[in-house]
Amino acid sequence: GENVEQHPSTLSVQEGDSAVIKCTYSDSASNYFPWYKQELGKGPQLIIDIRSNVGEKKDQRIAVTLNKTAKHFSLHITETQPEDSAVYFCAASSRSNYQLIWGAGTKLIIKP
Amino acid sequence: EAQVTQNPRYLITVTGKKLTVTCSQNMNHEYMSWYRQDPGLGLRQIYYSMNVEVTDKGDVPEGYKVSRKEKRNFPLILESPSPNQTSLYFCASSSGQGSNQPQHFGDGTRLSIL
Repeated sequence: GENVEQHPSTLSVQEGDSAVIKCTYSDSASNYFPWYKQELGKGPQLIIDIRSNVGEKKDQRIAVTLNKTAKHFSLHITETQPEDSAVYFCAASSRSNYQLIWGAGTKLIIKP
Repeated sequence: EAQVTQNPRYLITVTGKKLTVTCSQNMNHEYMSWYRQDPGLGLRQIYYSMNVEVTDKGDVPEGYKVSRKEKRNFPLILESPSPNQTSLYFCASSSGQGSNQPQHFGDGTRLSIL
């Protein structure tokens, strides 16, 4: 079936360094790839998304890259800050486009 | 303010006692969805709705019911809750009729079934 694998499950980086989280999807028909950030006690919140007709998208310190051939997409956070500490989820649209297929999440820890 | 509102935020109840978790959105979104979140399993979709009176099963629908009589509301019903339904539940909505648009999430409902 359709699935999304997300790595690593936990990532600890020094404040100011960069963080990269990677996802692999199984269905070549997926065409929408969002990233969500979940802070403690809150619901997930969209931070950036990319569609299959684009290879890279950037928004200030956050960027997402998509490799359709390899079915990989990655989240890049530069100059990390304490407020970046959270759980991050990637997702890919399903073949039917009525569902998102979610990764298992990455807990990002920013060390002061 | 655009938001998705879930109630209650916390509930402890007993096996077999019917309960309803309400979800309301004020963004005139067509698409709404329910997820459960369990440690190590990420977000799993329970049911979704593409529009009023149109609902479909997600990946883990057993033991749950939903209805979509109005565009803004999408309640989740547990007719006979069991301990394996203890979880953190999220409602979400998005524009359009699919999930290829940004989803807006509520702040969650933590259910404990004893």
